[in-house]
Amino acid sequence: DAKTTQPTSMDCAEGRAANLPCNHSTISGNEYVYWYRQIHSQGPQYIIHGLKNNETNEMASLIITEDRKSSTLILPHATLRDTAVYYCIVRGGSNDYKLSFGAGTTVTVRA
Amino acid sequence: KAGVTQTPRYLIKTRGQQVTLSCSPISGHRSVSWYQQTPGQGLQFLFEYFSETQRNKGNFPGRFSGRQFSNSRSEMNVSTLELGDSALYLCASSFQSPGGQETQYFGPGTRLLVL
Repeated sequence: DAKTTQPTSMDCAEGRAANLPCNHSTISGNEYVYWYRQIHSQGPQYIIHGLKNNETNEMASLIITEDRKSSTLILPHATLRDTAVYYCIVRGGSNDYKLSFGAGTTVTVRA
Repeated sequence: KAGVTQTPRYLIKTRGQQVTLSCSPISGHRSVSWYQQTPGQGLQFLFEYFSETQRNKGNFPGRFSGRQFSNSRSEMNVSTLELGDSALYLCASSFQSPGGQETQYFGPGTRLLVL
């Protein structure tokens, strides 16, 4: 897996957008950017993934820069239940079978 | 669709015992992966099964084993438990999209405590 760099922690006000940055400057052309989150002591939850185009689903939006060296996960209206550790990872094709999480970003949503 | 389910959710065992954990993947998913997560080591890959065959294996001792059934349900077994086996054991199921990407969806995990 290509390495990713994320801030250790960030705070967000409830109802506001949370923008989580991730740097992946060594990403290869066939590698995707994935985001997961893990609420304390629960299983990781898949959020979104993308290759080079921006992606949006019911949970979040993923903005990938044109050079693909960084990306931003956007939670449009953060709620207290979004408090979790967010992991940005880079994965290749079908041969990249295992996930490896770094330290992630601890996001605390405050009322 | 129902998500990945794991049973039991919590388990307390003593050293030397063995344990079997169960995982039911999302319907239609044929690949099941197992992970161990601890505060010190983070997420570590145990093994992956696809169509009843172990396709990939991590660096864990032979005490850790698994299997997959024809309905894609999977079990993992840990024999001769050690204190260091205390962890959250996670199961993830996935399917291969037409582009070749496999997105893994995790279950809630089984919290194992070895005393």
